[in-house]
Order: sequence, then C-alpha cells, then structure tokens
Amino acid sequence: QKEVEQNSGPLSVPEGAIASLNCTYSDRGSQSFFWYRQYSGKSPELIMFIYSNGDKEDGRFTAQLNKASQYVSLLIRDSQPSDSATYLCAVPNQGGKLIFGQGTELSVKP
Amino acid sequence: SQTIHQWPATLVQPVGSPLSLECTVEGTSNPNLYWYRQAAGRGLQLLFYSVGIGQISSEVPQNLSASRPQDRQFILSSKKLLLSDSGFYLCAWSLWGQDEQYFGPGTRLTVT
Repeated sequence: QKEVEQNSGPLSVPEGAIASLNCTYSDRGSQSFFWYRQYSGKSPELIMFIYSNGDKEDGRFTAQLNKASQYVSLLIRDSQPSDSATYLCAVPNQGGKLIFGQGTELSVKP
Repeated sequence: SQTIHQWPATLVQPVGSPLSLECTVEGTSNPNLYWYRQAAGRGLQLLFYSVGIGQISSEVPQNLSASRPQDRQFILSSKKLLLSDSGFYLCAWSLWGQDEQYFGPGTRLTVT
C-alpha cells in the first residue's frame, strides 16, 4: 500500500518569509506529484504538479522533487497571510486514483 | 473550460434519514469521477470512483452507495444516515489518462 506522509503542523512563518512544506512517499515508482491548497471550509485546489527531478517554479511557488530520497517539497516565497491554508501532497495510485497525505497546516503571521 | 457543481452546499439531516448528494461536471466528456469524504480535522477518504456510466468502484464498505446515471453526473446516496456520516463530501473529476483531479465546492453534511 502506497503511503504519503506530511507533517501536520501547524507551520508558522512570518509574512515575507519562505515557507517550506515537505512530503515523503513510499513508492519508488511514483512518477508524478501534486500539491493542493485547501482553505478552511473550502475544497482542495490544485496549485502545482511536478513530474521530473529538480525544481518547478510558478510565481511564488516552487515544487522540488528528489526521487532518490523520495520526497517532494513546496516552497512559498514572500509568504502572505492569504497563503494560510492546509497544503495537501498527492501521489497517483493505480486506476486513476490519488493518495493524499494528511496535509500540513500553514499559518502566515502578519 | 470545465466546471464542477455540487449540491446542496450544506445539509443537516437526522440519523436514519436518507441522503442524496449530486455532482455534475460541465465542459468535458467521459471524465473519471470521485467521491471523497473529509471528517473534521482529517484527511481525504476516497469513497467511490467511476470511469464511466454505471461503472462504480467502492473503496470503503459502509452504508453509502454511488451511482452514475449519466456521463457527467455522479450521485452519492444513503438509505439511513449514521452520526459517523457527518463530514465534508467532495466530488472530483479527472480526464481519462491524466492523474490530476479537480474538486467541486463540496457539501457539508451534519447528521444530528
């Protein structure tokens, strides 16, 4: 059974700092990785995906993948209070399904 | 572009009552469809998924059922709700052959 692990947090960072969210996965054969953001009381929103080793940047967000160490990270630069949310990491499973981590709660303090 | 709708947005039901939640997707054909439940402060639990009309796979045995009467319509049902059925119910879709899923706005169910 594939597993995806995340620290539940909460992770608290000051406004303007870099927030670093980490996710480890058990299946070495995993090829793609997804980051979802979920505001309190709302549904998850896909914000990043990464398929290749290395970094992928999209605005203030950078996804980092290290397949050898089986972890994927999400960096948020210049963190804003509006980034306060729970961030979910997901890995594909067979049959078109995703396995989600428990999520890391991020709090950005003004 | 594709959009996904869920209704109702919130629902309060007594124990033992029936349930019907509906999800529809617009702007795409033959999507994969998923029902998840998220209990308060918990992660996402996949309940059902469907790759086509009438094709339903159940992930967790419980008193819930799902149906897909039309290509872009997915329904979650129960004959008799339990207190433990309370939670945030999310419908999601994906394109065939692609892994990324997109979620609807969700239905918050409280069983009293």
